[in-house]
Amino acid sequence: GAVVSQHPSWVICKSGTSVKIECRSLDFQATTMFWYRQFPKQSLMLMATSNEGSKATYEQGVEKDKFLINHASLTLSTLTVTSAHPEDSSFYICSASPGTASEYGYTFGSGTRLTVV
Amino acid sequence: AQSVTQLGSHVSVSEGALVLLRCNYSSSVPPYLFWYVQYPNQGLQLLLKYTSAATLVKGINGFEAEFKKSETSFHLTKPSAHMSDAAEYFCAVSDTGGGNKLTFGTGTQLKVEL
Repeated sequence: GAVVSQHPSWVICKSGTSVKIECRSLDFQATTMFWYRQFPKQSLMLMATSNEGSKATYEQGVEKDKFLINHASLTLSTLTVTSAHPEDSSFYICSASPGTASEYGYTFGSGTRLTVV
Repeated sequence: AQSVTQLGSHVSVSEGALVLLRCNYSSSVPPYLFWYVQYPNQGLQLLLKYTSAATLVKGINGFEAEFKKSETSFHLTKPSAHMSDAAEYFCAVSDTGGGNKLTFGTGTQLKVEL
């Protein structure tokens, strides 16, 4: 149980275009999902907390107008990288939990490799 | 604020040898602690978690970790390394206040040699 699906696994886009990444909880409902960014050979940096039916909460230094998050249902959160530039190239990972952290921990998607050319 | 420190960005062991990956935490409240493993170009898989129950936690793939409050440590161990254990390992902390945010360490790359 507790499967999180992320799509696409990788995407290449031209500079200036927008890219949407989907994160789905397949067998549970998630009122909260998390979006992380990971640079090569580095740790995960929390970008934002996605809340179903309300605005996302962004971490300090993350541009909310560049990284648009929508959590329209209890099983789907999307991250849209708007007007992407090469410096946005990175590995993006989402996570969610079917319940409390103490009981279930967090389940991660398989990640999306974004390359902006 | 909470944080975790992973000592050693790279650890190399021989197949069959003991694996020890170090993690020290800092938290103003009782923490939840996690170990995750990441294979190249993949997401993170939970190995084990400590959530204030037993201090010795057993996880998947033969890994275990012991929560030591006096040492603020949560080191990951495995008695006998296997080639398939080669991966990146992350220690993470979450507060118990319901915020559910995970703060990750910088990771340790485990190499297993024949």
